[in-house]
Formats: sequence, C-alpha cells, structure tokens
Amino acid sequence: NAGVTQTPKFRILKIGQSMTLQCTQDMNHNYMYWYRQDPGMGLKLIYYSVGAGITDKGEVPNGYNVSRSTTEDFPLRLELAAPSQTSVYFCASSYSQGQRMNTEAFFGQGTRLTVV
Amino acid sequence: QKEVEQDPGPLSVPEGAIVSLNCTYSNSAFQYFMWYRQYSRKGPELLMYTYSSGNKEDGRFTAQVDKSSKYISLFIRDSQPSDSATYLCAMRKTNYGGATNKLIFGTGTLLAVQP
Repeated sequence: NAGVTQTPKFRILKIGQSMTLQCTQDMNHNYMYWYRQDPGMGLKLIYYSVGAGITDKGEVPNGYNVSRSTTEDFPLRLELAAPSQTSVYFCASSYSQGQRMNTEAFFGQGTRLTVV
Repeated sequence: QKEVEQDPGPLSVPEGAIVSLNCTYSNSAFQYFMWYRQYSRKGPELLMYTYSSGNKEDGRFTAQVDKSSKYISLFIRDSQPSDSATYLCAMRKTNYGGATNKLIFGTGTLLAVQP
C-alpha cells in the first residue's frame, strides 16, 4: 500500500517556466489537498478537492491550478513560475463518508521546488 | 493575530526528559485538535487526535486540550533520539468536510533529543 505518492521529489525551475506536480493516492480517499510549506510559516492550503470533478480554492491559490479527473490523481499546475513559489509542496488525502470526516489527512513525501 | 500560534523552538532536551510542546489559538470554534510529527525532509504524519477538552494518552505521548484557555499541549515522556522531529499542531472547527472546514496548522516546533 503506497499511500500518497508525489513526483518529482525535487525540481529547479526558471522564472516563467511551467510544470505539473503529480500526486496519486491508492487509498480510495475522496478528499485531496495541496499544501505549501515555507520556513516558519507552517502549512498553507493551496487547493482542495472533495471528489472527482470538484475542486476549490484554499488560502493561497494564486499562481496555481488543479484538476481532478479521477479519484486517484490530483495534479498541481504552475503556469508561470515565480521566485515566490519556491517552497516544499505536500499533497494529502483523507476520507469522508457523507458529510463526516472519517480519517485525518495522510501526506505524501513532498516536492521541493526552487524557482530561479 | 494568527489563528494558531506555536513556539518554533528549536527545543533541545537530553534523552529521557519529559517534553512539553504547546499551541495557543484564538478561535473558540475549534473543536478537533491534532498533533502531526514531521521528520526532516518527510511529510507530516498524524500522531495524536483529540476532540474538545480533556486528555488523551497513547504510549509515551499525551495530548491535552484546555478549551477555556484556548491552549493545547503535547507531552512526550521518556523522550528518545528518534523523537527528534518537527511537531505541528493542527485544528479545525467541525468534523464535516467541505468548504467551511479547513485544517489550520501551527508553524511547528523543532525538537532535538540528545543521546
């Protein structure tokens, strides 16, 4: 059971380039999340999804886009990379049955992104 | 004022010490409280989960919630070098999913247990 898998683990981007951070989970969780973690700032929610085809903005969505075409996958897209997007990105998933959260969030290992 | 405040540390203790990690919060609507442990260059993993006020014990770990003071704590007894990690508190208002229920994290406390 792999849990939440993120790729790549590390990436260096030039300003203005674009890339997609991949996230997949094999736990059949309906909720998926993208967070960024900056030193001394804790985890900030970028986007989340409550199921395939449904996404919504978190606290810091500007400069990012997401899609959720399947239950398993939740890619995060950076269109025009900026130095302010240098961070560690974590994908997470959880399970909710009806309206109740049955599990807390399981996190992937993270993607370290540097924009130069 | 941040919704959740956590002392960033670093906190360095000798092996076998009792460790106390704390968070304060400003929103009285928070009801569900969690502690995550994050090893260097890894993702956070859930350590403890409590609902409302009271204590919860799991082995060497005890989570304590005082809603009247808006204060939560994690105690680690007989600390081990393997406990060296960043500890993040997190909380949310309800047990329901959706747009209004977001997990709010503290900034994390870096703990080093010296052998």
